[in-house]
Amino acid sequence: QSVLTQPPSVSGTPGQRVTISCTGSSSNIGALYDVHWYQQVPGYPPKLLIFGNTNRPSGVPDRFSGSQSGTSASLAITGLQAEDEADYYCQSYDRSLSGVVFGGGTKLTVL
Amino acid sequence: QVQLEESGGGVVQPGRSLRLSCAASGFTFIAYAMHWVRQAPGKGLEWVADISYDGGDKSYADSVKGRFTITRDNSKKTLFLEMNSLRLEDTAMYFCARDRGGTVTTTLGFDYWGQGTLVTVSS
Repeated sequence: QSVLTQPPSVSGTPGQRVTISCTGSSSNIGALYDVHWYQQVPGYPPKLLIFGNTNRPSGVPDRFSGSQSGTSASLAITGLQAEDEADYYCQSYDRSLSGVVFGGGTKLTVL
Repeated sequence: QVQLEESGGGVVQPGRSLRLSCAASGFTFIAYAMHWVRQAPGKGLEWVADISYDGGDKSYADSVKGRFTITRDNSKKTLFLEMNSLRLEDTAMYFCARDRGGTVTTTLGFDYWGQGTLVTVSS
């Protein structure tokens, strides 16, 4: 059971917009700790996609965006492409656990 | 360019020990907090431990507390994970990752990751 809850899977067709939710609590996201998002293609290490709730590292397309409200955060992907098919993880810090926490991951399928 | 290269993985029996290393290059190692993250086969990411830029602060996941020890040698730009009393459930790919910040009282995101080293605990 992950501290941050994500849907196990989402899907969409090319060109569509999809969102992935990340639900936490008052000891992590709700305590205003930043949320970060990672994309992982099987067999490869994760790649930082969004940091500080809404910021994209250099090189990440602006089709990817992040938001945060209350105890939840979301990753949105617009103009879905076949290459976006991957696993996505949210991450934050939890003050009760005094450590970093990850969501369980969401598998994105591009139909 | 920033590079992180893990080593030290392998097959080990339950109850035995293993020491992982992560050699860093291409950046000012002493400026950044570092982490170990693991991923069991077919499973999600699990944060294992972190260490502040100067090695003064460390944190551990409950699942490894008391068994694993994270250290760093800033003069050699290397991160370590000493794993004792290994269990079957410790079987995973172990990644080292760089935090965008220097402390462990929060995380600013992990901007660089190594390719990982596989640890298999099996009798």
